Amino acid sequence: KAGVTQTPRYLIKTRGQQVTLSCSPISGHRSVSWYQQTPGQGLQFLFEYFSETQRNKGNFPGRFSGRQFSNSRSEMNVSTLELGDSALYLCASSSQGAVELFFGEGSRLTVL
Amino acid sequence: TQLLEQSPQFLSIQEGENLTVYCNSSSVFSSLQWYRQEPGEGPVLLVTVVTGGEVKKLKRLTFQFGDARKDSSLHITAAQPGDTGLYLCAGNWPLYGQNFVFGPGTRLSVLP
Repeated sequence: KAGVTQTPRYLIKTRGQQVTLSCSPISGHRSVSWYQQTPGQGLQFLFEYFSETQRNKGNFPGRFSGRQFSNSRSEMNVSTLELGDSALYLCASSSQGAVELFFGEGSRLTVL
Repeated sequence: TQLLEQSPQFLSIQEGENLTVYCNSSSVFSSLQWYRQEPGEGPVLLVTVVTGGEVKKLKRLTFQFGDARKDSSLHITAAQPGDTGLYLCAGNWPLYGQNFVFGPGTRLSVLP
């Protein structure tokens, strides 16, 4: 069974640009969550999608957005990038009703 | 404010030693998970505990959930270099409108 796949693995952007990250969950998993991981703040919850609907949202500005497609694949977008957005962005999938998360390897974003 | 606290923050030990790391909160969890994350990778689920007082063993790792479901511990017996990594606890916290809250982690280094 293939794991969670995130693309791209690494990317470099400059301030003011926007970025889109992609996540393909484990087959059969309909819940996809996104997390931001930084050395100072640790793992922080961004949002969770289930069946194409945002079910939960963390405390991040509106520059951070996401969506989920009918095949459960998900994308997140960050607009008007700031230096502080440099982080490892992790996607996790889970099956309905489960409490365990299965993470991808992450997309490491560097904003210059 | 960290909803979940972990201690110690850093731990460096010699191969063969035993260790315990802790995860604490002032609130009650529905369930709690432990993950291990290695550099450049996403967290990998180790265990889920649900019932107060529950003890689970995974080879040399022993996980305990506090009776009041507010805290948990991870004990490693005879640590090996392969145990090196960032150990994260995560609480299932539906009352806060998100599925999971992560602690800041304990960074363990096991020296050969």
